[in-house]
Amino acid sequence: AQTVTQSQPEMSVQEAETVTLSCTYDTSESNYYLFWYKQPPSRQMILVIRQEAYKQQNATENRFSVNFQKAAKSFSLKISDSQLGDTAMYFCAFMNDDKLSFGAGTTVTVRA
Amino acid sequence: EAGVTQSPTHLIKTRGQQVTLRCSPISGHTSVYWYQQALGLGLQFLLWYDEGEERNRGNFPPRFSGRQFPNYSSELNVNALELEDSALYLCASTRRGLVSGANVLTFGAGSRLTVL
Repeated sequence: AQTVTQSQPEMSVQEAETVTLSCTYDTSESNYYLFWYKQPPSRQMILVIRQEAYKQQNATENRFSVNFQKAAKSFSLKISDSQLGDTAMYFCAFMNDDKLSFGAGTTVTVRA
Repeated sequence: EAGVTQSPTHLIKTRGQQVTLRCSPISGHTSVYWYQQALGLGLQFLLWYDEGEERNRGNFPPRFSGRQFPNYSSELNVNALELEDSALYLCASTRRGLVSGANVLTFGAGSRLTVL
C-alpha cells in the first residue's frame, strides 16, 4: 500500500515571500505520478501541479514548482511570490493503479 | 463547461439514519471517484466507478455503497450512520481511469454531512 506523509500541518508566509511544503511517500513501484492539489476555503479541490516519476525534470507551473527526489521519495512544493489567494489547504497525492492516495494536508496562510 | 456538481451541499442526519449523496461528472467523463475528508484527516478513498461498474473500493465497511448510472452520474449511500461518518464527501471525475496518469481528477465542491 502507498502512504503519503505531509509533516507540516500548518505554514504561514508573508505575502510575496516563498514557502516550501514537504511531502514524502512510500512505494515499491517505479512508475507513478505525484500531484499537489489545493483546497481553498470554498472547498473546491484544484490541481496545482503534476509530476511523472519517470521524468527527472522538476515540474513548474508559474509560481509553483516542485523538487522531486525519487531516490529519497520526496516531493516538495515551492510557492514563490506568495499571494493572498494562495491561502488554502495543500494536499500531496500519489497515483498508481487507478488509485489516488492523499496526504493529510498542510494549511498555508498568506499574511498581508 | 460545467464542473463536477454535488448535492446536497450540506445535510444533517442522526445516528442510524441513511443518506444518499449525488454527483454529476463533467460531460464526457466516465469515471467517478468518491472520497471522504474527515476533520483533521486527509482524503480517504471510498469508491471508484467507471462505465457503470464498481472498479475499486477503499477500506470502508459495506454500509458505504454506491452506484453509477448510464449517464455516468453517481450516488453514494451510507447506511446506519455513525457519528464518525461526519465528514466532507468529495466526488471527482475523469475521462477514464487514472492508469495512464494523463487523466486528472476534477473535484466537486463536496457534500458536508453532519451526524448527530
